[in-house]
Amino acid sequence: QKEVEQDPGPLSVPEGAIVSLNCTYSNSAFQYFMWYRQYSRKGPELLMYTYSSGNKEDGRFTAQVDKSSKYISLFIRDSQPSDSATYLCAMYSRSNDYKLSFGAGTTVTVRA
Amino acid sequence: DAMVIQNPRYQVTQFGKPVTLSCSQTLNHNVMYWYQQKSSQAPKLLFHYYDKDFNNEADTPDNFQSRRPNTSFCFLDIRSPGLGDAAMYLCATKYREDQPQHFGDGTRLSIL
Repeated sequence: QKEVEQDPGPLSVPEGAIVSLNCTYSNSAFQYFMWYRQYSRKGPELLMYTYSSGNKEDGRFTAQVDKSSKYISLFIRDSQPSDSATYLCAMYSRSNDYKLSFGAGTTVTVRA
Repeated sequence: DAMVIQNPRYQVTQFGKPVTLSCSQTLNHNVMYWYQQKSSQAPKLLFHYYDKDFNNEADTPDNFQSRRPNTSFCFLDIRSPGLGDAAMYLCATKYREDQPQHFGDGTRLSIL
């Protein structure tokens, strides 16, 4: 079993829809959670960063962390074609030397 | 402005011919990472520096070496590239252990 599980998709939605992405993990020591967006032939770009459980909102993006369920989510409201990318969840903790554990990435296409 | 800069963006080398990839950063970050990312996969950590301290991952092949001559620059040397080393190589940095990593746009390496 992988340490971080993420459905690779692909996920295709019409423009304006809500995109819902999630990851589950097995290591209860994880403390820091983030979402990266990666466009084709580009490096991952940090989208959202949260510490411990809770919600964080930034414009059209909302990240949720539920440590009791070992589950994190990313919601994209009013999705745009420019949101078409691969979204990687990642997490780390002091106990794993702050190294990133990634999900497999979900490829999202927003259709105009 | 790009803060983690990788050069070149695309590199073609011959089987067995040494190649060096470079990464520079304007963030004055203490920690620098090198990752290998193959198509449709998550990035895989090769090694990292905390300041001048080098940390090699246990499964990183001996074929891969790194140098960090100063805070701003880090190099990845592949001594004898094989066909299996064709991938995107990503550099990432962060200021402190508990902070998120910021990635460059990568160097796509092809092996002829």
